[in-house]
Amino acid sequence: LAKTTQPISMDSYEGQEVNITCSHNNIATNDYITWYQQFPSQGPRFIIQGYKTKVTNEVASLFIPADRKSSTLSLPRVSLSDTAVYYCLVGDENSGYSTLTFGKGTMLLVSP
Amino acid sequence: EPEVTQTPSHQVTQMGQEVILRCVPISNHLYFYWYRQILGQKVEFLVSFYNNEISEKSEIFDDQFSVERPDGSNFTLKIRSTKLEDSAMYFCASSEEPGTNEKLFFGSGTQLSVL
Repeated sequence: LAKTTQPISMDSYEGQEVNITCSHNNIATNDYITWYQQFPSQGPRFIIQGYKTKVTNEVASLFIPADRKSSTLSLPRVSLSDTAVYYCLVGDENSGYSTLTFGKGTMLLVSP
Repeated sequence: EPEVTQTPSHQVTQMGQEVILRCVPISNHLYFYWYRQILGQKVEFLVSFYNNEISEKSEIFDDQFSVERPDGSNFTLKIRSTKLEDSAMYFCASSEEPGTNEKLFFGSGTQLSVL
């Protein structure tokens, strides 16, 4: 079961870099690691996806060590508008579904 | 960026009534999904749909629920006889390909309130 564990909440200030780490000890060989962002009363929004090493896009970076048992989402210079819930997802073969299984996510609060 | 659109944004209904939630997936996507989120809880998978039939469904998706693609653009979720516990935000999503490694595009949701 590729269950993920991430902090329930994190606090930060505007302009700081935020790193949210997710552990997924039982990740399967074929699984990618995907992060979504959800604002209140909105649907989740894809942020970034990776398989190994480092992935960077215009929004974030994703760091994945060689053993792939964890991953870190890095948000550079956060602003108030980055306040949201961030979900780390990996494939979950034992869920019985070929689609995404969301956990509780990490609630990031960015303060002025 | 292309969007999944959902209507209505809010729906209030009486217990026992039927509701239909509507979604327009991204035009070139072939896989469609419904998720729901009860206030303060996790986003839960309900059903996936491909080629005019259900691919998978969760234990939440019982006989009171049905999905349909009535034309080439809309994707609907029907709850036949709503219960109080059906009150939730319902999200439609679509993707180009199926599977847990695929990028899903979610709509903004329909807030369903059952009184």
